Amino acid sequence: KAGVTQTPRYLIKTRGQQVTLSCSPISGHRSVSWYQQTPGQGLQFLFEYFSETQRNKGNFPGRFSGRQFSNSRSEMNVSTLELGDSALYLCASSLGQEDSPLHFGNGTRLTVT
Amino acid sequence: GDSVTQMEGPVTLSEEAFLTINCTYTATGYPSLFWYVQYPGEGLQLLLKATKADDKGSNKGFEATYRKETTSFHLEKGSVQVSDSAVYFCAPSGAGTALIFGKGTTLSVSS
Repeated sequence: KAGVTQTPRYLIKTRGQQVTLSCSPISGHRSVSWYQQTPGQGLQFLFEYFSETQRNKGNFPGRFSGRQFSNSRSEMNVSTLELGDSALYLCASSLGQEDSPLHFGNGTRLTVT
Repeated sequence: GDSVTQMEGPVTLSEEAFLTINCTYTATGYPSLFWYVQYPGEGLQLLLKATKADDKGSNKGFEATYRKETTSFHLEKGSVQVSDSAVYFCAPSGAGTALIFGKGTTLSVSS
């Protein structure tokens, strides 16, 4: 069974630009969650999509948005990039139930210059 | 709101030493509890889980018991190996996903 695939693995952008990250979940998983990982803040929850609907949302500004397609693939978009957006962005898929473990991709490393 | 307090490292041990990483949480209701591990250069992967009070999760020699009365889920291993060197995260579930994670504990094991 294929794991969670995130593309691209690395991105370098300049301030003010926008970026789109992609996540393909494990087949059969309807939930996709996104996290920002930084050395100072650790893992912070961005949002979760379940069956194409945003079900949970973290405390990030509106510049961070996402969507999920009918095949459960998900994209995350960050507009008007800031230096502080430099981080590892992790995507995780699951069956979406309370006791369902998350299956993580290897992440997209975003560097904003 | 919900929160997780996890001991921060780094934790440095010699091979075959005993490991404990503390994790306590506050949450609405009785969430399922998870430990995830992140090896260098990789994403997180599930280490173990427990879904109700007094459940014990175990995997690869690691164990953690869901203690409802103390809202804790401490991770233990009797004899660590160099290959256990990684970052460990505690996470209660919430609304179908993990809304919060512990800060992560870096474990370094030397031979």
